[in-house]
Amino acid sequence: QQQVKQSPQSLIVQKGGISIINCAYENTAFDYFPWYQQFPGKGPALLIAIRPDVSEKKEGRFTISFNKSAKQFSLHIMDSQPGDSATYFCAASGGVAGNQFYFGTGTSLTVIP
Amino acid sequence: EAGVVQSPRYKIIEKKQPVAFWCNPISGHNTLYWYLQNLGQGPELLIRYENEEAVDDSQLPKDRFSAERLKGVDSTLKIQPAELGDSAVYLCASSFFSDTQYFGPGTRLTVL
Repeated sequence: QQQVKQSPQSLIVQKGGISIINCAYENTAFDYFPWYQQFPGKGPALLIAIRPDVSEKKEGRFTISFNKSAKQFSLHIMDSQPGDSATYFCAASGGVAGNQFYFGTGTSLTVIP
Repeated sequence: EAGVVQSPRYKIIEKKQPVAFWCNPISGHNTLYWYLQNLGQGPELLIRYENEEAVDDSQLPKDRFSAERLKGVDSTLKIQPAELGDSAVYLCASSFFSDTQYFGPGTRLTVL
């Protein structure tokens, strides 16, 4: 059973636009929700993360919106740039899972100049 | 601060051959993870260590995969014998009593 479901699989956005990637989770015990950015040939790198005690977290152009009742969270990239073109993964951990992370299937983002 | 180091970066072997991957985590990180990442997919956990102890290896195919983390620092992941379906990127990550995992660049394995 997929613990974390991610959509869309791919996304094409014009430079300056807003990129939105969505994730939904099953386990209500999860208490940590990170987003990772991965460039070709590189390992995933932590981009931004949120805990369920807040509904939104912003770091620069990146914002996580969290809806605990719906068990959903999303990544918003404002003013998208060509350099943001990468694959983005959401993940979840916590509760009985402890330090075990469950990853979404990834979203390939392409920002067109 | 040096990041997670993995070697080799690329490995091409024929099926039924053995292969080993090495990971050096960030200094002081007690938790070490090995993940498998197929093309177009998210990382899938193979094994997680807390210091020297493997605390979660439920997803490790133990008939052909083995791992060790001697002295709670470096770790080695081995496949013997390799199968065609093992072709993937093998990622190592580490963390220190926190939620932030730091990933290495991965080893891309191709089994012919």
